[in-house]
Amino acid sequence: DAEITQSPRHKITETGRQVTLACHQTWNHNNMFWYRQDLGHGLRLIHYSYGVQDTNKGEVSDGYSVSRSNTEDLPLTLESAASSQTSVYFCASSADGYNEQFFGPGTRLTVL
Amino acid sequence: DQQVKQNSPSLSVQEGRISILNCDYTNSMFDYFLWYKKYPAEGPTFLISISSIKDKNEDGRFTVFLNKSAKHLSLHIVPSQPGDSAVYFCAAYINNDMRFGAGTRLTVKP
Repeated sequence: DAEITQSPRHKITETGRQVTLACHQTWNHNNMFWYRQDLGHGLRLIHYSYGVQDTNKGEVSDGYSVSRSNTEDLPLTLESAASSQTSVYFCASSADGYNEQFFGPGTRLTVL
Repeated sequence: DQQVKQNSPSLSVQEGRISILNCDYTNSMFDYFLWYKKYPAEGPTFLISISSIKDKNEDGRFTVFLNKSAKHLSLHIVPSQPGDSAVYFCAAYINNDMRFGAGTRLTVKP
């Protein structure tokens, strides 16, 4: 069965460190997204990609970067982790813009 | 600025009764709306959607109503079941941008 996976599921890091969160989907979807979920804010879009070599900034992109070298993967990098980036991160994919997005199980990141 | 708002952080209903979850939005250009359901420690899962050209969409126990003039969206669950207990997010979409509300935690009591 097709799926979308995230790793690690939990991560604790220190302020200033570079962190990369992995997202892998086997749906063969062109579109991939990264969100963060914080209490009182729901899900906020960080970055998204509509295909290989395509990346775009979302609502809260400062301090984050992504790269899309193949269809299946969209890693999210925190260049220099900050305590404000402590959150739960969700990756999602969809066949096209108006289709439902399929979400991964999430990564809980704590920045100390 | 939160363009999509769910003003009720929680809702509790009795099993078998109707659950009504509400969502308001500020941008009249949104042209597609979705509801997602989320259980603890899992990612959100798609529930139901509606295009801005419609005012109602039904799927089994779930019905979404859209009132464009009021910029208001609601999700009705009838009858509610204990397994429906989860956090529900509404989302609105335009031009490659999806905005989510903060979520409403629904508890269905047996």
